Amino acid sequence: DTAVSQTPKYLVTQMGNDKSIKCEQNLGHDTMYWYKQDSKKFLKIMFSYNNKELIINETVPNRFSPKSPDKAHLNLHINSLELGDSAVYFCASSQDLGGDYTFGSGTRLTVV
Amino acid sequence: EDKVVQSPLSLVVHEGDTVTLNCSYEVTNFRSLLWYKQEKKAPTFLFMLTSSGIEKKSGRLSSILDKKELFSILNITATQTGDSAVYLCANSGGSNYKLTFGKGTLLTVNP
Repeated sequence: DTAVSQTPKYLVTQMGNDKSIKCEQNLGHDTMYWYKQDSKKFLKIMFSYNNKELIINETVPNRFSPKSPDKAHLNLHINSLELGDSAVYFCASSQDLGGDYTFGSGTRLTVV
Repeated sequence: EDKVVQSPLSLVVHEGDTVTLNCSYEVTNFRSLLWYKQEKKAPTFLFMLTSSGIEKKSGRLSSILDKKELFSILNITATQTGDSAVYLCANSGGSNYKLTFGKGTLLTVNP
């Protein structure tokens, strides 16, 4: 039973499209995150939710909008996709703020 | 701004060698320092360190934190080809305890 699951695993789409990535965790954790990993493997935080409340919103274009319908789910919607959005997006969760994260297996987004 | 610097950026060794990976950090309101291993997919958790001078150990891997010098090392003894991965260091701090990651060390262990 996967602890943090993301769908889809791969996403290839054209510039200008709108897409969503879904994330679910069954660990009972209170906090969930979205990270972006670029081609050089650098992981950078985008958003964090604690009990459905947005607590971290880094300098991310407002084309990216997270949504947390409940504390087990954190989805990421991206409008008007650009070439520079191509990356691997990781969802993660932790019991406490700043505790050790459990990562999902990532969504490789390719914008063409 | 919180910062994590890892060195070296990449390292190639032979099976059986011992390696030391370095991580220095700057953070306000330090909470913890974490190490992760990333192979093909998701980073997997190795260690979380909160106290200075106390070594954490798991098999051939060990790590220690120096809160005075803002530094941590990850040691791997008797390396195996399965240790080949990117090793990520992260610190937790600031007002919201977010994890800030370093750029990682790519370790390649050749047979």
